[in-house]
Parts: sequence; C-alpha cells; structure tokens
Amino acid sequence: EDQVTQSPEALRLQEGESSSLNCSYTVSGLRGLFWYRQDPGKGPEFLFTLYSAGEEKEKERLKATLTKKESFLHITAPKPEDSATYLCAVLFWEYGNKLVFGAGTILRVKS
Amino acid sequence: NAGVTQTPKFQVLKTGQSMTLQCAQDMNHNSMYWYRQDPGMGLRLIYYSASEGTTDKGEVPNGYNVSRLNKREFSLRLESAAPSQTSVYFCASSEDNSASEQYFGPGTRLTVT
Repeated sequence: EDQVTQSPEALRLQEGESSSLNCSYTVSGLRGLFWYRQDPGKGPEFLFTLYSAGEEKEKERLKATLTKKESFLHITAPKPEDSATYLCAVLFWEYGNKLVFGAGTILRVKS
Repeated sequence: NAGVTQTPKFQVLKTGQSMTLQCAQDMNHNSMYWYRQDPGMGLRLIYYSASEGTTDKGEVPNGYNVSRLNKREFSLRLESAAPSQTSVYFCASSEDNSASEQYFGPGTRLTVT
C-alpha cells in the first residue's frame, strides 16, 4: 500500500481558476511534510515544510495546510508560470531521516 | 552560491559498463542523498550520508555504491550498469539529518542500452 498518495494525478486550470492539490499519508508518526515544485528537466525546488496539524504556510499564490492525515496545496488565481509538477514528501519517525515521496500532481494552467 | 551541482547531465552506457555520478554542494550541509526518479513512481532514495564519514542504504540500494569523499562531495557508482538502472538521478543535501528540508541538484539523465 502506498504510504504517500497525491491527487489528482493531473490538473488543468484556466488562469485565475483557484484549486487545491491533495497529499495523504497512511503511516503514523509524522516528523515533517514537504512540498516541492519540479519543472520539466530540472530538480525539485523546495516550497514549504509543515510539522504539525493546523500549521499553514504561504508563498505568493500558494498556501499549504496540514491536518492529521493529509496536506493541501491551495493555488489561488494561478498563472501559466505556476505550471509544474508538485511533489509531496513525508518524513516519518519510523523511517528515520528517509523522505517518502508521492508520485506528484502535474498542474497545467492555460491563459 | 551554486547550491547542489551534478555531473554529468546526460550519459548513455552499455549494459555492464561502469560509471560514477558526481555531486557537490556549497551550502555547508552535513547530510547528502542520492535519489532516482522514474515515471509514475516518485523519487526513491538509493543511499544517503547523514554526516561526513557515514553512509547508509535507502529504499533501492542494489547495484549502487556511494562514497562521501568529504563534506562537500557525495558520489554514486554503478559498477555494472543494467537497463533497469535507466532513470534520472538526483543528488540532494540538507543541513542535518533531522527534519530539515532537502535541496536538490539538476539531475543526471542516464540511459543504459
């Protein structure tokens, strides 16, 4: 069973159409949850770290939230330059300092 | 600051050949990591080094070896390449091996024929 699941796999939005990406995890004992952005042909770029339920972080049009079993990445009024793959990764106490990544959500924003 | 750098960017190998992927970071980070990324599977940890002088296996270590040459450099070696090792390889570093964020290099695209 996958430990970190991201949904949807792909999302197409019109410019300005707000939406949310989901990251859920099945193993208990969260040390930290990380969001990354990855552009084609490049390495993942760090966006946010969340450590406890109720925590929120914001950066420009992006806002990440965390509950006990999932995290959301909210995208407000997206622009075409927000198009990328968004990766979620979780650090579990059970696995020491080994990050477990989800498969990602491919976001396309059309103008 | 260059952050995390990787060489080469692209490589094609024949089955059975060997090669070393190089990684260096200039952020004075203690911990370094090697991942592979395959379509639909997400990033998977191959090996990591929590601090200079230590290395440990990740999720998919078979067929690979690593060397933490010094605090800045962490190399990944394929002794006898196999087609199943065709992938994109990323090196990353973090301040320490607690829950600090990891910073990634640009990747090496490896094809084994």
